[in-house]
This record gives sequence, structure tokens and C-alpha cells, in this order.
Amino acid sequence: DTEVTQTPKHLVMGMTNKKSLKCEQHMGHRAMYWYKQKAKKPPELMFVYSYEKLSINESVPSRFSPECPNSSLLNLHLHALQPEDSALYLCASSQVGSEETQYFGPGTRLLVL
Amino acid sequence: AQKVTQAQTEISVVEKEDVTLDCVYETRDTTYYLFWYKQPPSGELVFLIRRNSFDEQNEISGRYSWNFQKSTSSFNFTITASQVVDSAVYFCALSEAIPDKLIFGTGTRLQVFP
Repeated sequence: DTEVTQTPKHLVMGMTNKKSLKCEQHMGHRAMYWYKQKAKKPPELMFVYSYEKLSINESVPSRFSPECPNSSLLNLHLHALQPEDSALYLCASSQVGSEETQYFGPGTRLLVL
Repeated sequence: AQKVTQAQTEISVVEKEDVTLDCVYETRDTTYYLFWYKQPPSGELVFLIRRNSFDEQNEISGRYSWNFQKSTSSFNFTITASQVVDSAVYFCALSEAIPDKLIFGTGTRLQVFP
């Protein structure tokens, strides 16, 4: 089973709202990722967690706050976002290591008004 | 520095035509990994294949085939007898030991018309 689930599928929020994106995998993977994808662009890495610890933060603004409560769950907390943050947010998981394949979830389409 | 180039922004074909998607990569490492992903309109990236730098054997999976040539730093993807369901954006990606992250190409949008 190579399934990564993400909720919600769609999210509309105002610039003063606080919301969270959720990601879950049950493949026993110990690395989890958040990507942001704008239209007609490739995914851009935001954060990487390895063994539940944040290992990479690609200089993401603090209005995005990741959290990895356990090895199966990954959250992305959103606060005071800007309209330019509207995008598809993709979660992925893999075993740890550059040779490992990342498996992606279906994404959350976020619109910031 | 690592880089992945997909020079073809968009390709349109008619069903049953063969189509090749090009991918050229740059890396200084001797150990690296190459991937292809498919992204249909629904948005999910679907993993298609992984190749390591020591394995230049070409691979065929049904209508899909991949040609890995280290001499030209290319990892091209061919779809034989294309179908409408093949319409998607296809990304080639590179991974090295350090940093441990995927470097994506800009993607090729394939449209297959009936």
C-alpha cells in the first residue's frame, strides 16, 4: 500500500485565519515532506522531517509552521497567510535516504483571500 | 550544482502515436538517483520509476520505457501507443546524497487527443 492521505482537499481562508493541513501515511516511512506547488511550476520543497525531527527548512516564512506528532502524521499550521500563498500543498513520505522513493498525497488546494 | 532540464514545455500528440519526453540532468556526484513522476489534472504526483547511477539498463513497463544514458546525462521517457489517459504533466527528478532532497525539472505537459 503506497497511500498518503491529505485533508482537507480544498481550503479557502482569509488572511487573518488560522488553519491546519494534515497528512498521514501508514507505510512505516520515517521521512515526511511538505511541498508547495504553484500553477505550471514544479513542486518546491518546504520542510523535511526525518525520524520525527525537522531536518530541512527551506527558509520558509514563519507563517507556515510544521509539526510531526508521530511517525505517521505531519501537520502544517497556517497563520496570517498572504494571497500569494495560494497553491497546491503536497505531502510526501519515504524511507530515510536519498535513494528512497517519495510517495505523494493528493494535495490540498489552498486559496487565501 | 544539481539541475534537471526538461526542455519540452508542452507536447501534443494524437492517440496511438509514440512520444518521447526528454530529461537532461547535471550533477557532480557519482552516486545519484533519477525519478519520473506523473501529475494528472487531479494533482497527485504518481511515481513511475527510479534509476540509480550505476544501473544503465533500459527498462520497459507495458507501454512505458526509459532510456538512461550517462554519457549524455539523459534519462528519457517514451510512451508507446499513447492514450488519452496519458495526458498529464510529467516531471523528471534527481536526488543526491547531499543534500537529501529531490530536484525537479520544470515538467512537460503531455496532451493526447483522441
